[in-house]
Amino acid sequence: DARVTQTPRHKVTEMGQEVTMRCQPILGHNTVFWYRQTMMQGLELLAYFRNRAPLDDSGMPKDRFSAEMPDATLATLKIQPSEPRDSAVYFCASGLLTGELFFGEGSRLTVL
Amino acid sequence: QQQVKQSPQSLIVQKGGISIINCAYENTAFDYFPWYQQFPGKGPALLIAIRPDVSEKKEGRFTISFNKSAKQFSLHIMDSQPGDSATYFCAASKDSGSRLTFGEGTQLTVNP
Repeated sequence: DARVTQTPRHKVTEMGQEVTMRCQPILGHNTVFWYRQTMMQGLELLAYFRNRAPLDDSGMPKDRFSAEMPDATLATLKIQPSEPRDSAVYFCASGLLTGELFFGEGSRLTVL
Repeated sequence: QQQVKQSPQSLIVQKGGISIINCAYENTAFDYFPWYQQFPGKGPALLIAIRPDVSEKKEGRFTISFNKSAKQFSLHIMDSQPGDSATYFCAASKDSGSRLTFGEGTQLTVNP
């Protein structure tokens, strides 16, 4: 069945290292979102793409985070350099303009 | 204006009881109000959604009540079951394909 696939599911890294998270949206979906979930802040929108074009990345720390969609089957979220405060679960979600949003199972990031 | 306030933060209900979670919003441009259910280690999944042209929507044991004038909406879970134990998020957006602003979440525990 169709699902959003995220890799890696878990990542432990040291402060200062580069982290790349990948997302394969559901085939045919034209909107892709990156959300970050923490106990303190809940679900925060980091970036939003429509038809692969970035529409909103105002929630993303620009100095260290970047989000791209090199093609319709891949979205990436990169953190360079990573910091302990980036520890969180990062969710990718995809959908259509008139439909529900489908979330992946998340990438749990721990920065030591 | 982008915030969605959710309460309570946690809720304990006995099996068979009614669970009620409330949300309030400020942005009158919001016109799509979904509720998401999240189990530990999983991504949020759409439970039920409503648009402001109706005051209530029911799907099985789950009902959304919507009060446009008060800018509030709530989720009612009838005959709550232990399997309903999860975190519930309300959300709002300007349309179903746009960015979702999430409430803080409610951790529901249904005791057997």
